[in-house]
Amino acid sequence: TQLLEQSPQFLSIQEGENLTVYCNSSSVFSSLQWYRQEPGEGPVLLVTVVTGGEVKKLKRLTFQFGDARKDSSLHITAAQPGDTGLYLCAGGRTGRRALTFGSGTRLQVQP
Amino acid sequence: DTAVSQTPKYLVTQMGNDKSIKCEQNLGHDTMYWYKQDSKKFLKIMFSYNNKELIINETVPNRFSPKSPDKAHLNLHINSLELGDSAVYFCASSRERAVHTEAFFGQGTRLTVV
Repeated sequence: TQLLEQSPQFLSIQEGENLTVYCNSSSVFSSLQWYRQEPGEGPVLLVTVVTGGEVKKLKRLTFQFGDARKDSSLHITAAQPGDTGLYLCAGGRTGRRALTFGSGTRLQVQP
Repeated sequence: DTAVSQTPKYLVTQMGNDKSIKCEQNLGHDTMYWYKQDSKKFLKIMFSYNNKELIINETVPNRFSPKSPDKAHLNLHINSLELGDSAVYFCASSRERAVHTEAFFGQGTRLTVV
């Protein structure tokens, strides 16, 4: 059982479509980060959210932290092939000195 | 001028061998990590060092031993390699050890034990 469950696990869509990826837990997190990992590379940070209900936008990407700080979502508008990759959520908890990573969502955007 | 670099990128070795993976960061960060990513892409923390001091040691077999000669380097030595050790190992660093601090990852070392 993983502390942070992501859904869906796999997503294949056409260029121009919208999508949402979810990151859920029964535990409260003090912060939530989203990373994108491309094949053969390490994860790269996209955003950090720390306040319940917080919404951050990064161009076509919108990130939301749940009010209770137990879940988060990533919404991509008008997906492009360059968005293809593995999306990982990672939570920080008080008293823990390292991030807890989610199970990952593999996104493929077809041109 | 890679920020976090690890070597080698690929490592194929036989069961029972001992191998090391090296990691260096030129970001001036105080904290470094080793993560293991399994075949299902799940990333799990193994170790963390802050200014050469071990601060995280998860439930990892004692065949795995990290060594930090200085705060810019964190190497991982693995004794008596087993098939189940096959995975991608990522080194990472962060400016401070606060958990919300951005982690910068290396490119990973794909270890295959045959």
